[in-house]
Amino acid sequence: EVQVLESGGGLVQPGGSLRLSCAASGFTFTSYSMAWVRQAPGKGLEWVSSISGGGGVTFYADSVKGRFTISRDSSKNTLYLQLNSLRVDDTAVYYCARGQGIGGYSGLDYWGQGTLVTVSS
Amino acid sequence: EIVLTQSPGSLSLSPGERATLSCRASQSVNSNYLAWYQQKPGQAPRLLIYSASDRAAGIPDRFSGSGSGTDFTLTISRLEPEDFAVYYCQQYVTLPVTFGGGTKVEIK
Repeated sequence: EVQVLESGGGLVQPGGSLRLSCAASGFTFTSYSMAWVRQAPGKGLEWVSSISGGGGVTFYADSVKGRFTISRDSSKNTLYLQLNSLRVDDTAVYYCARGQGIGGYSGLDYWGQGTLVTVSS
Repeated sequence: EIVLTQSPGSLSLSPGERATLSCRASQSVNSNYLAWYQQKPGQAPRLLIYSASDRAAGIPDRFSGSGSGTDFTLTISRLEPEDFAVYYCQQYVTLPVTFGGGTKVEIK
């Protein structure tokens, strides 16, 4: 059974940092791209970042470029998102999702339950 | 950036009725790289349709997707109680990947 499980969310002050993790199981991790999508309270979905199956190609939304870094560790079947220079408007539930192919971005067929990041002083 | 506009913003229907949801793109979505998702309160989104018209694994056949270019439609042929939710379209033909603002399907 395919599963992805996020962790690492929490309360952080503006300007602070946080690292999100997403543990994947039930599939060959390196054969699929992965993505982070966020949802601010009461709002719609916003794509944040994607990474190819091998980890060599990454993509970012302009709103997070230069502040967030996506990476993956195939030895641990884990996806990461490093969040730096956090702003109040980064407050959201962050979802980890599996892409449908090995390339950079695609439809997202399996989603975790999300982890809440709150940026507040 | 491709902007996806979903309409209507909300839809009030009864179980058994047909639901027709629209997603219009500001530029052509070549190769029909368009997906539809369902999200219920407190839950993660679930992929329903990809490549504009292909149903994802385990999705009932009452859900169907159609369209091409800039106009796409999600149809739910007969609403079941569990179908009342918010639906999002997504394009993944070009960066940035974008989502529509969502259509909420409510029980009448």
